[in-house]
Amino acid sequence: AQSVAQPEDQVNVAEGNPLTVKCTYSVSGNPYLFWYVQYPNRGLQFLLKYITGDNLVKGSYGFEAEFNKSQTSFHLKKPSALVSDSALYFCALQDTGFQKLVFGTGTRLLVSP
Amino acid sequence: NAGVTQTPKFQVLKTGQSMTLQCAQDMNHNSMYWYRQDPGMGLRLIYYSASEGTTDKGEVPNGYNVSRLNKREFSLRLESAAPSQTSVYFCASSEEVAGLGEQYFGPGTRLTVT
Repeated sequence: AQSVAQPEDQVNVAEGNPLTVKCTYSVSGNPYLFWYVQYPNRGLQFLLKYITGDNLVKGSYGFEAEFNKSQTSFHLKKPSALVSDSALYFCALQDTGFQKLVFGTGTRLLVSP
Repeated sequence: NAGVTQTPKFQVLKTGQSMTLQCAQDMNHNSMYWYRQDPGMGLRLIYYSASEGTTDKGEVPNGYNVSRLNKREFSLRLESAAPSQTSVYFCASSEEVAGLGEQYFGPGTRLTVT
């Protein structure tokens, strides 16, 4: 069965510091991976996706993610965190055969001033 | 261009009552989805519709029914609400782009069943 794990419930980082939100996956075929962000009382917003090609994927708001096949990971990164980046982040894996997404449990990012 | 809209935003039901959650998208997307979000569990797929006229069960379909009324609208019905259905419900849509298009989410409906 396909699955996504986000091992950290919460990540704390100071503004201006780099941030990493971790995601690992399990899939039998080729992984199609996504990151979404959820701000308070809002729906999820797409950040970026990995389908194939370059292992470093760039997305919205200065975020990027690194796909590592040997470690089955797809960590979200940003070189310099902003207080406004504070939100709930979800990693997701696309189910084969259709666009059904399997979501991780989410990681809350708190960026302190 | 409103994207994905959902009504109502909030709802309180008593056990056994029924209600329908409405969802509409104006992006001409073929596929639509209903998820529920519970603390510590991420989002779980309830039902989805690959195209107008088709619907399929997701991970947690029990207690729910759906209708793809037309290409724009996809409703979720709770026939007899239970406290376990207290959750935040999200509708989403996507375009078929080799099956790899990102999903666009509505603002959610917060449902409490007492």
